[in-house]
Amino acid sequence: DTAVSQTPKYLVTQMGNDKSIKCEQNLGHDTMYWYKQDSKKFLKIMFSYNNKELIINETVPNRFSPKSPDKAHLNLHINSLELGDSAVYFCASSPDRGLYNSPLHFGNGTRLTVT
Amino acid sequence: GDSVTQMEGPVTLSEEAFLTINCTYTATGYPSLFWYVQYPGEGLQLLLKATKADDKGSNKGFEATYRKETTSFHLEKGSVQVSDSAVYFCALSDQRGRSQGNLIFGKGTKLSVKP
Repeated sequence: DTAVSQTPKYLVTQMGNDKSIKCEQNLGHDTMYWYKQDSKKFLKIMFSYNNKELIINETVPNRFSPKSPDKAHLNLHINSLELGDSAVYFCASSPDRGLYNSPLHFGNGTRLTVT
Repeated sequence: GDSVTQMEGPVTLSEEAFLTINCTYTATGYPSLFWYVQYPGEGLQLLLKATKADDKGSNKGFEATYRKETTSFHLEKGSVQVSDSAVYFCALSDQRGRSQGNLIFGKGTKLSVKP
């Protein structure tokens, strides 16, 4: 009964391939996020969806495309993978994007390695 | 823009030592402040939070006080344990328009506690 679950946990692939990472939350939250953590542990927001609507799209290459089929799911599809995409990708959710003191609930991350 | 600055790690302490991890922030409004902890191989977990000036967040022996005058939210623990070894992230809630609710993270501070 994991609150925020991501699959796969590890993903190793070659440059140029297309891959997807799936995320599901069973907390009933309205807002979901994708964060990227680089090799130095720096975390940066990529996308945020609220009730299936894209809210935040930070300066991310358009090779990255989030898809939210319903408010419990936010998948991340990456086209034409590059070496620099290697990182740990975290999905997160929160009850309502407007609540400043609402904490984020994170998944355990997907470690993507592009060779 | 809003930002968070944390002390650089890694920090190595002996068990039962006193811990301080410094965090300062820059924000145009009155953000909520958070400390998250990331144990090896896991996602981030909320450790504590404070939503307004002079609030003290506390959890598991950790404390941090929201200091508006010094724009700081330093994390402290009186006696660390080996099990506290993790990466600690300071964060603030983004208040920019459509980014409301998103968290802006510091770069993380790795703590290693030796027996």
